[in-house]
Amino acid sequence: DAMVIQNPRYQVTQFGKPVTLSCSQTLNHNVMYWYQQKSSQAPKLLFHYYDKDFNNEADTPDNFQSRRPNTSFCFLDIRSPGLGDAAMYLCATSRDLWAVEAFFGQGTRLTVV
Amino acid sequence: QQQVKQSPQSLIVQKGGISIINCAYENTAFDYFPWYQQFPGKGPALLIAIRPDVSEKKEGRFTISFNKSAKQFSLHIMDSQPGDSATYFCAASSDNTGKLIFGQGTTLQVKP
Repeated sequence: DAMVIQNPRYQVTQFGKPVTLSCSQTLNHNVMYWYQQKSSQAPKLLFHYYDKDFNNEADTPDNFQSRRPNTSFCFLDIRSPGLGDAAMYLCATSRDLWAVEAFFGQGTRLTVV
Repeated sequence: QQQVKQSPQSLIVQKGGISIINCAYENTAFDYFPWYQQFPGKGPALLIAIRPDVSEKKEGRFTISFNKSAKQFSLHIMDSQPGDSATYFCAASSDNTGKLIFGQGTTLQVKP
């Protein structure tokens, strides 16, 4: 009964080649988040959508973009992946923005070669 | 600026022992303090959470202790089991932003 599903689980991309990661949710939550987690580090918030409203973190590079075509789906686009973008990318959802539980997907492990 | 500081970075405990992980925060606007458990190759999962109107919350073997005046909170795992071996993240957020700020994580190993 997976509630937040990320595809693919593992993605290998070439340096500079655009890549898209996807996330879907069955919880009908208003908020969807994208986090970047590098090895042995805490998840770092890249951006989030509250419904259709997009909110970018100030330190998120322009190389990272996102789309949310409907409530259930959210995409992370990396326009020109660099070696430093290799990481686990986590999608999460929450019912609202305010101090409520966030549900995480299993993540997509991105390798840049 | 790191707003949530977590310690220790790693912890080894014998089976049946008590695991204790500590976190300290700076922003007094924080009013929600969850702990997430993450197994290798998996996303974090909510373990237990507390709000500052209580000083302790217990769920099974897991207890959060909260000290509002000291701006500190901790996770206690009683009767630690090898299956508890994972990385634990404390986090904090406020009603104003809803943004979860994570601590640096603690890798727990429970030896049989």
